[in-house]
Amino acid sequence: DTGVSQDPRHKITKRGQNVTFRCDPISEHNRLYWYRQTLGQGPEFLTYFQNEAQLEKSRLLSDRFSAERPKGSFSTLEIQRTEQGDSAMYLCASSPGTSGTTDTQYFGPGTRLTVL
Amino acid sequence: AQRVTQPEKLLSVFKGAPVELKCNYSYSGSPELFWYVQYSRQRLQLLLRHISRESIKGFTADLNKGETSFHLKKPFAQEEDSAMYYCALRPDLYSGAGSYQLTFGKGTKLSVIP
Repeated sequence: DTGVSQDPRHKITKRGQNVTFRCDPISEHNRLYWYRQTLGQGPEFLTYFQNEAQLEKSRLLSDRFSAERPKGSFSTLEIQRTEQGDSAMYLCASSPGTSGTTDTQYFGPGTRLTVL
Repeated sequence: AQRVTQPEKLLSVFKGAPVELKCNYSYSGSPELFWYVQYSRQRLQLLLRHISRESIKGFTADLNKGETSFHLKKPFAQEEDSAMYYCALRPDLYSGAGSYQLTFGKGTKLSVIP
């Protein structure tokens, strides 16, 4: 296991199309997070899962965005009817889910989305 | 709501010179602070966290609650330190909703000149 993996690494799509990204966390990590990063900005939190339960969603996650983690392992992030403003790097992270302050988030390489 | 501010977009220093990357935060409770680093063509990775009070790759950071700062320091910069550095905050674990999300600053690009 070499860490969090994301697929695809790059996606170019036309405005109005739907796209889906996949994230495979580190084995046995209970928590999984999605962030979005635009040019010149730090990552911004979108949503997080504890096992298969989606426990928190940011106001950045509009109705066009949906995330799932059906079996508590990999996760998918779907964007419907993409807009040019959706162009960004989408980052996935996972953490062991340990209690207390030792729960470190490990990031994947990201999926770069370009909406034409 | 929490906020993290990194006032410098770019910091250039000569090799061997001291480095200080500034980070200020806004949060009403007791946050946990982190520094993440992203080297060229690599993924974001944790550099250090305030709770560990350790030195990683010669870097240290002290949480100053009075000044709400968490500046990253290194006494002698090396060329391999050139990277993008992000300061991040996680709310008090016992504050309820939002306890696990990280809030990042915009980042500072450190360039070490040979």
